[in-house]
Amino acid sequence: EIVLTQSPGTLSLSPGERATLSCRASQSVSSSYLAWYQQKPGQAPRLLIYDASNRATGISDRFSGSGSGTDFTLTISRLEPEDFAVYYCQQYGSSPWTFGQGTKVEIK
Amino acid sequence: EVQLVESGGGLIQTGGTLRLSCAASGFTVSTTYMNWVRQAPGKGLEWVSVIYSGGTTYYADSVKGRFTISRDNSKNTLYLQMNSLRAEDTAVYYCARRFGETWGQGTLVTVSS
Repeated sequence: EIVLTQSPGTLSLSPGERATLSCRASQSVSSSYLAWYQQKPGQAPRLLIYDASNRATGISDRFSGSGSGTDFTLTISRLEPEDFAVYYCQQYGSSPWTFGQGTKVEIK
Repeated sequence: EVQLVESGGGLIQTGGTLRLSCAASGFTVSTTYMNWVRQAPGKGLEWVSVIYSGGTTYYADSVKGRFTISRDNSKNTLYLQMNSLRAEDTAVYYCARRFGETWGQGTLVTVSS
């Protein structure tokens, strides 16, 4: 099973700042099948990025994904108030699919 | 519009049985792959099971032998049959289209003695 480790656990930033979230895999993620999700309290996860770097439909270009192999990054260029949430990475290239433990982006 | 609506959750005793449903609209369940993902209270996301368009299924080790994923093409609905439920199965259960393009709102399953 591929273990995904997200860092940091919590990111304290101010609106307008840049957020950089990391997701490291215990082994190479097949075909860069890596997704990023945003989740707010009481809501289902929302897909932001798939295949490591493709933005999902309707997602702001403030969100970008990069990386390959075992190291992946989600960048939020300028934080808006609605961006403060928990973010998860997920690999879907190898069974069982696995999720990272999440990074909470909170208002500083 | 693509939409997923889960139902069937509730309070169940340890060792009990429950069947979750996920009604799909805006696309055909049988032509793609569908997943169940769960989230224990205050915890992260855990993949549970997948069914591919050809009918092949896979399960997380934690539910293998107890849960069964299936679909009814005539009703365009995905199911998760959950047997021998344990306290650690307590979670919000989400169905998701493909790897996570679209998610339902989730249904809460609480297993208690």
